Amino acid sequence: QVRLVESGGGVVQSGTSLTLSCAASGFSFSNYAMHWVRQAPGKGLEWVALISSDGGDELYADSMKGRFTIYRDNSRNTLYLHMNSLGPDDTAVYYCANNGGSGYSKYFQFWGQGTLVTVSS
Amino acid sequence: SSELTQDPAVSVTLGQTVRITCQGDGLRTYYTSWYQQKPGQAPLLVVFGRSSRPSGIPDRFSCSTSGNTASLTITGTQAEDEADYYCSSRDSSGAHYVFGSGTKVTVL
Repeated sequence: QVRLVESGGGVVQSGTSLTLSCAASGFSFSNYAMHWVRQAPGKGLEWVALISSDGGDELYADSMKGRFTIYRDNSRNTLYLHMNSLGPDDTAVYYCANNGGSGYSKYFQFWGQGTLVTVSS
Repeated sequence: SSELTQDPAVSVTLGQTVRITCQGDGLRTYYTSWYQQKPGQAPLLVVFGRSSRPSGIPDRFSCSTSGNTASLTITGTQAEDEADYYCSSRDSSGAHYVFGSGTKVTVL
């Protein structure tokens, strides 16, 4: 079955960098665009970034553009999120999800269990 | 801030029907998807597209759209449907994905 396992979260100091990973299995990873979505404690879901199936195209939420970089290694079935200049507002559970659908109907099909990033000031 | 607006909370009597709405300009162009999230768990896709459900999702979940408003309907609500529900789509430019602020469904 489809499995997405995030890792790399933890407690970091404000201003530092961190890279998250998402290991995928149970589906043809290289055929799917992939997302990162985050959720601050007690808050709603916030889309972070999307990368195309071949890694050639990236989209970012405006608040993350320039600080976060999404990339992937299809040979390792792994998605990454590199985050720079972290601040307390980046404290959240970070989820990876594969992109389902096409055209005007796209959705977050399967989700990992998430990895918690806590940024201390 | 979210470009999709949802009511914060709604309650429903066991076995009755509840409708959750989601408003946003992008919904005039792009389909909405809906996610269920229970405490301590990852979100789960429940409905997408015209009103498609992933394998394993009960047929009591359905969705529809009219203009800039999308709706998730749970018919014959069960106790296990108590959760937060989020809508998602793209913004009016199509360049970004967005989530609604979420609706907490309480089953009485």
